[in-house]
Amino acid sequence: AQKVTQAQTEISVVEKEDVTLDCVYETRDTTYYLFWYKQPPSGELVFLIRRNSFDEQNEISGRYSWNFQKSTSSFNFTITASQVVDSAVYFCALSEARGATNKLIFGTGTLLAVQP
Amino acid sequence: DTAVSQTPKYLVTQMGNDKSIKCEQNLGHDTMYWYKQDSKKFLKIMFSYNNKELIINETVPNRFSPKSPDKAHLNLHINSLELGDSAVYFCASSQDENTEAFFGQGTRLTVV
Repeated sequence: AQKVTQAQTEISVVEKEDVTLDCVYETRDTTYYLFWYKQPPSGELVFLIRRNSFDEQNEISGRYSWNFQKSTSSFNFTITASQVVDSAVYFCALSEARGATNKLIFGTGTLLAVQP
Repeated sequence: DTAVSQTPKYLVTQMGNDKSIKCEQNLGHDTMYWYKQDSKKFLKIMFSYNNKELIINETVPNRFSPKSPDKAHLNLHINSLELGDSAVYFCASSQDENTEAFFGQGTRLTVV
């Protein structure tokens, strides 16, 4: 069965620290997609990144970077020099294709608190 | 211009009532979804539609009935509301099964 595990329930850091959010997934599919979403205190869900199973290159976007390793079924997310505005719940998700739609299977989320 | 918009943002209602949540997307996407986020922040899919056709119905009680009048709209009607229906409901859309979903701002439903 498809599953996403985010073992870190809450992380608290001080501004400017680097922080890594872990994500481990399970799937029997050979083709799949992984995502990260951010949910700030205001409640909306903000898309951050999509990665397909054939592309293991790490990705960097400003202070954000993602490390995808198929060998360990992990898709970890690092924030460099964290800021208070990074405080949010972060969700990792795995996509299961169904017809012409997909079903996002979310992890339980990691609450990141960045203290000033 | 909001890409995926839901109304209302907050909904407080009594047990037994019927209510609807509306969703519209202006992204030109073919696929729309409803997700439910419970009090522990757990997100789970309820329905998906592609070009007005129901694709996923994830064992949701039949008191929940989605309706897609056209591919830009997916409304959620809930009959005989129960206390356990209290949650945040998110509408989303995506271009196809391989692309990311964009979410609305959520509707916080409270049943009292």
